[in-house]
Amino acid sequence: NAGVTQTPKFRILKIGQSMTLQCTQDMNHNYMYWYRQDPGMGLKLIYYSVGAGITDKGEVPNGYNVSRSTTEDFPLRLELAAPSQTSVYFCASSDGTGVSNEQFFGPGTRLTVL
Amino acid sequence: DQQVKQNSPSLSVQEGRISILNCDYTNSMFDYFLWYKKYPAEGPTFLISISSIKDKNEDGRFTVFLNKSAKHLSLHIVPSQPGDSAVYFCAASDRAAGNKLTFGGGTRVLVKP
Repeated sequence: NAGVTQTPKFRILKIGQSMTLQCTQDMNHNYMYWYRQDPGMGLKLIYYSVGAGITDKGEVPNGYNVSRSTTEDFPLRLELAAPSQTSVYFCASSDGTGVSNEQFFGPGTRLTVL
Repeated sequence: DQQVKQNSPSLSVQEGRISILNCDYTNSMFDYFLWYKKYPAEGPTFLISISSIKDKNEDGRFTVFLNKSAKHLSLHIVPSQPGDSAVYFCAASDRAAGNKLTFGGGTRVLVKP
């Protein structure tokens, strides 16, 4: 199992550009999440999904969009990149039914907006 | 409004000694608490968790204590090893609300040989 994979690892965007951060998991997990981590801070939830076709906003959704057409994939879309979106983005998944509620994280995408 | 706080941004400890990391929360709806470990340029990895119905959970060198009345939890690492040097995040979940995690700001631990 590869677990949770994210692409790209690094990206530099200009203000106003758009991009999609890809996230795929091979654990057949129903729940998927997107977090961002700013320097020296904890992770903040952007969007999450409890299953294919179902998404909901987290704590910091502004400037982002998501879709969940399959169980495996949960892409995050930035439409008009702004410097405030410079951050490290983590995708995670969980089965949602386990006692421990453990979420499995990908390696992250480091995004810089200039 | 930080619902989960780790008030110590860093901790330095000698190899073999105990590391104690602390975490406070404000939301009484949280019913599950987790600790994650993070190395640079990697995603967080799950370490240990505890349900709100327990006050202690142990896994090898790692023990988590929960004091519900004080809304406080702590992670004990005994004995500390150089490989434990990392950033540790406390996280809390209200499992009835989508299994979302709310994270603290992290504590950077340095274990000196």
